[in-house]
Amino acid sequence: DAKTTQPTSMDCAEGRAANLPCNHSTISGNEYVYWYRQIHSQGPQYIIHGLKNNETNEMASLIITEDRKSSTLILPHATLRDTAVYYCIVRVLRSNYQLIWGAGTKLIIKP
Amino acid sequence: GAVVSQHPSRVICKSGTSVKIECRSLDFQATTMFWYRQFPKQSLMLMATSNEGSKATYEQGVEKDKFLINHASLTLSTLTVTSAHPEDSSFYICSAWAGKTTAANVLTFGAGSRLTVL
Repeated sequence: DAKTTQPTSMDCAEGRAANLPCNHSTISGNEYVYWYRQIHSQGPQYIIHGLKNNETNEMASLIITEDRKSSTLILPHATLRDTAVYYCIVRVLRSNYQLIWGAGTKLIIKP
Repeated sequence: GAVVSQHPSRVICKSGTSVKIECRSLDFQATTMFWYRQFPKQSLMLMATSNEGSKATYEQGVEKDKFLINHASLTLSTLTVTSAHPEDSSFYICSAWAGKTTAANVLTFGAGSRLTVL
């Protein structure tokens, strides 16, 4: 019962910006949007998270629409090492703050 | 930053034996840890929530007698797959919240443990 929808896969040329969309139309007012990625056979790696303002860190930027029903993760200069499955997650309001994972987007960076 | 260590990274065992996987928070205390299971080309599936000093909370469909979880200290949780069978072969991943369990904090993951049951 993932609360987000993402494209199954995307390609991006090396050196270009990779823009990964995510829809979370049922998000509640106090739920954060998290982005993680998982490189093959490794544990997920945290990328960025936000509530309603756009966020930027050393890895990526997160753009959240004003109505908070969708967001976009931007990798500004994609490299081959950015090839991974990217997960957009909305924190479910449970007492122990679980994250429910959707299918994610397989991002393939091409040389 | 917060680090979660998981051991072993790979394990191969015979059918019917038990396997223990350890998850440690190296530089923070984790009152709650989570155990996930991931089959090839699928997303993470939450198995259980491990609470320090108390019984784990299992997700629907996860057999608590087969997947024993112990969270004896604030830095260690263990998952024991009992009487393992080939269908238990999977990628098992643990995670923990670094710091206070609030929405603004980050869930840190271990590197995962690949279990192969022959």
